[in-house]
Amino acid sequence: DAGVTQSPTHLIKTRGQQVTLRCSPKSGHDTVSWYQQALGQGPQFIFQYYEEEERQRGNFPDRFSGHQFPNYSSELNVNALLLGDSALYLCASRIPGLDTDTQYFGPGTRLTVL
Amino acid sequence: EDQVTQSPEALRLQEGESSSLNCSYTVSGLRGLFWYRQDPGKGPEFLFTLYSAGEEKEKERLKATLTKKESFLHITAPKPEDSATYLCAVQGNNNDMRFGAGTRLTVKP
Repeated sequence: DAGVTQSPTHLIKTRGQQVTLRCSPKSGHDTVSWYQQALGQGPQFIFQYYEEEERQRGNFPDRFSGHQFPNYSSELNVNALLLGDSALYLCASRIPGLDTDTQYFGPGTRLTVL
Repeated sequence: EDQVTQSPEALRLQEGESSSLNCSYTVSGLRGLFWYRQDPGKGPEFLFTLYSAGEEKEKERLKATLTKKESFLHITAPKPEDSATYLCAVQGNNNDMRFGAGTRLTVKP
């Protein structure tokens, strides 16, 4: 059983560019969340998708947007990249039906903005 | 606003030297407290979910406990392969998942 997968592994962009990161949830999981993790910090919640809609959002600007597809996979888009967007971007999927979010994380995408 | 504070920031142990990591939290209506292990450059690996004060869970050399204000991750007779960053997170009534900054554990042989 494959776990959560993310692509690409690493990405280098320049300021002002746009980036799309991809995530496939663990088999049987229907809810996908995205997190940003700066070096030496814990993950920060960006948003969560369920049934192809953004269900919840953290304190991130509108430059961060996402999408969920019918097969539950998801994309994170970041526009107008800033140097401060450099981080590890994590995707997590959740077991359906549980009342709380026991989540399983992917390996992450390391984004570097120059 | 929900808050999670982990201490210490870093901990160095000798192999076999037991210790505890602390996670203090403030949350509006705790729905769950989570412990994860994270190796450098990788995603967090789920360890435990605790739901209410007094609950305890164990896995190999790790034991997690929960009170109304804090959680402890006890590590018994650690081995070098237990070296990692341990993250604590809480989920409150607003459903937000709030992580602490983590405790970086190093176990020397």
